[in-house]
Parts: sequence; C-alpha cells; structure tokens
Amino acid sequence: EVQLVESGGGLVQPGRSLRLSCAASGFRFDDYAMHWVRQAPGKGLEWVSGINWNSANIDYADSVKGRFTISRDNVKNSLYLQMNSLRAEDTALYYCAKVYWGSTSRPNGFALWGQGTMVTVSS
Amino acid sequence: QSALTQPASMSGSPGQSITISCSGTSSDIGYYNYVSWYQQHPGKAPKLMILDVTYRPSGVSHRFSGSKSDNTASLTISGLQAEDEAIYYCSSYSSSNTYVLGTGTKVTVL
Repeated sequence: EVQLVESGGGLVQPGRSLRLSCAASGFRFDDYAMHWVRQAPGKGLEWVSGINWNSANIDYADSVKGRFTISRDNVKNSLYLQMNSLRAEDTALYYCAKVYWGSTSRPNGFALWGQGTMVTVSS
Repeated sequence: QSALTQPASMSGSPGQSITISCSGTSSDIGYYNYVSWYQQHPGKAPKLMILDVTYRPSGVSHRFSGSKSDNTASLTISGLQAEDEAIYYCSSYSSSNTYVLGTGTKVTVL
C-alpha cells in the first residue's frame, strides 16, 4: 500500500526540540522530492520545508529557517524534520507529503499526504 | 511569503458551477505555472486536485478544472455535488524557492 506515516509529535516546552519522522512505503522513495506542511488548529495550510530526492536541494519557509532542519534517509525510506527552539506558534499538525512528479527536482504538487503528527508547544 | 488570497466562503446548489479565485503576485502565480489546488474535508489530510495550473491527476473528477490569468489562479467546480463540500486551498511555487499556500475557501453545497 502506498502510504506515509508520521510520528514523533507531542507536547514540548518552548525553546525545546523535537524530531519528526515520516515512514514511506509502497513507492520508490528515492525517486521523489518530499515536503513538510503544517496546519495550526483551525487554521490553513502552511508549507514548512522541502527536500529533493538526493538532498541536494533544500528549502525552508522564513518562519522556520535557522530553527528547523529537513533530512531524508533513502535506505530507510524515511523523511525527518528536526525542530529546535520551538515556539508556541509552531503548534500544529505536521504532514509529510510526497510530490506528484517523480524523477525531477522541479516544482511540484503534493500528491500523497500522511495523516499528520500533532506538535504542541506549551509550558 | 504572504499567503495567497482566496474568498473565505462560497456556496452553490447541486448541479451549479462555482469558480474559486486565488490571488497572488508577480513573484508567484504571475511568474510560475506551478499552481496546485487541494481539497480538505474535516479531519482529513488534503487531497491534490489540480497541479501545474491545469493538470488533473488520475482519479480526480473531470468536474474540477484549473486556470490562470496574470496573478490570479482559479478552480472551477462544475456540476456541484454534495461530496464537494470541503475547504479548498491553492498553492504556488514562488521566486524565493518556497511554496505559498492560499488562505482557504470553504465551499458549501446548499
């Protein structure tokens, strides 16, 4: 079955760190760019970060640049998001997403989404 | 990285057509043909409906179509059905090598 399963969310105090994981299955993981998109409770979607198939191209939203680090392990078919210096405004459901077009680093639509993992930043 | 502007809500009767607008700038929608549209039902993950402005992935109903003019993209839903009731988000690649999402439009089927 083609799917993405996120994990690693939870309750964390401001200023602390958390690492999210996304396990991919059912498709050739190393053929696709991957992204993280978040959604604060009751709010809209916000793109967080993206990484191309071989980790050569990585980008971040200004709101997380310098605090979050995206990475991937193509052997383990996994995507990660290391989140440091967390703030209350980082509270959201974090989705990992696979792009539609494979074998390319060009901009793309987000075709496959996980169920999300909730991150709550609060003291 | 300001969000793309969408109407907060739209509604239509079954069988009618509605067009959702998505307003951006010359640095995103106006420059790139990388506009996508997502449908999100309550408590569910988003679903890709349109990418590359007009491309409809397999499995997405032909009732959904996309277009773009200058800095504004549009999603048209023809023959509105009850299951189309959801929140719709647009997205565009931008000149800062990032993606910007829209504010979301809640579609209600009357």
